[in-house]
Amino acid sequence: DVKVTQSSRYLVKRTGEKVFLECVQDMDHENMFWYRQDPGLGLRLIYFSYDVKMKEKGDIPEGYSVSREKKERFSLILESASTNQTSMYLCASSIHRDYTDTQYFGPGTRLTVL
Amino acid sequence: GDSVTQMEGPVTLSEEAFLTINCTYTATGYPSLFWYVQYPGEGLQLLLKATKADDKGSNKGFEATYRKETTSFHLEKGSVQVSDSAVYFCALSSNDYKLSFGAGTTVTVRA
Repeated sequence: DVKVTQSSRYLVKRTGEKVFLECVQDMDHENMFWYRQDPGLGLRLIYFSYDVKMKEKGDIPEGYSVSREKKERFSLILESASTNQTSMYLCASSIHRDYTDTQYFGPGTRLTVL
Repeated sequence: GDSVTQMEGPVTLSEEAFLTINCTYTATGYPSLFWYVQYPGEGLQLLLKATKADDKGSNKGFEATYRKETTSFHLEKGSVQVSDSAVYFCALSSNDYKLSFGAGTTVTVRA
């Protein structure tokens, strides 16, 4: 079974802090994704990566950056957390660059910024 | 751009009732269509998918048919159980591998 793990289930941070969210997948998938989930808005893509050290902006990249130094690990960075970044963050991975591929999701990190 | 519209919830049903969640889409080309489900406290998992017109996806008693003429991918289940209580997301992927999601529909099944 594909397993996508995220470093924390719940996280509380203060405004202005630098926040790291880590995601690891164990199936040698090429693609990895970061989404945020907000009620009534569904999931919105923040960034994605189709290879090590490669990244592309999604629909809402402002205020975020990412890092992919190893194939299995994809990190989301909030350089200076703000209260409007309070949300559920979901990581996902998929095998290769094909629009029929299934994405596999981690359990999510619920981030609260005070 | 690509977009997905699904019926708003919340939906509350009794056990053994019929469930339908409407989903329509706008996309260039010929997208793949997906239903993902999120059980309480968990991430999303694939429920079913269809990759070309007239395909029917099915899993766990749920079904959805890819209708190109009506740009729809409605989810149905004939007899729901309490364990089907979850949030359901319709999604599409077109000429790249990014997913566009609907807003999600919360379904609660009462015993």
